[in-house]
Amino acid sequence: EAQVTQNPRYLITVTGKKLTVTCSQNMNHEYMSWYRQDPGLGLRQIYYSMNVEVTDKGDVPEGYKVSRKEKRNFPLILESPSPNQTSLYFCASSLLASGGETQYFGPGTRLLVL
Amino acid sequence: AQKVTQAQTEISVVEKEDVTLDCVYETRDTTYYLFWYKQPPSGELVFLIRRNSFDEQNEISGRYSWNFQKSTSSFNFTITASQVVDSAVYFCALTSGYSTLTFGKGTMLLVSP
Repeated sequence: EAQVTQNPRYLITVTGKKLTVTCSQNMNHEYMSWYRQDPGLGLRQIYYSMNVEVTDKGDVPEGYKVSRKEKRNFPLILESPSPNQTSLYFCASSLLASGGETQYFGPGTRLLVL
Repeated sequence: AQKVTQAQTEISVVEKEDVTLDCVYETRDTTYYLFWYKQPPSGELVFLIRRNSFDEQNEISGRYSWNFQKSTSSFNFTITASQVVDSAVYFCALTSGYSTLTFGKGTMLLVSP
């Protein structure tokens, strides 16, 4: 089944404890992206990747890191999480980086930073 | 800069009523793409439709229909004969191809029996 998977789905952590949220897609998509969703603010892009080893900042990149060593994986790293990073996180992928391709989203990861 | 406005924060209807969700967008690009996504209470984001700026044909899919009007920069979504399962947050989004997918803040639709 074609899908985007994220792990973990739910995570409670404490300030400053490094964490990684994994994202994987099995559709051979070039483009991958991370968004966060917050009440009243909608979805905002954190980072995106147009292909392997090509990443760039989105609208709200502060406090996050990403890497794209393989086409299928795009992990999101919080080196020192803070309470303002409590949010619902979505990974997404699309076939190509251009042409307005449809982005398909993972199931989301709910993160609580205490 | 691109912008998507969904002025309706919440809409409540009774089952079988028709409901229209509004989406107004701003972009300076002549080529762009518009999307609607559904986020049910379970939280996932479900793709509904993609439309490019050169295709102004309205589209119907079952009880769902979309009205794209470039003259008013709108891409409205109508649900006919709404059902309880339609209760969700609906997002309109815009991209110009290489740019970030810009989302509206969403409209929460509550359909009561």
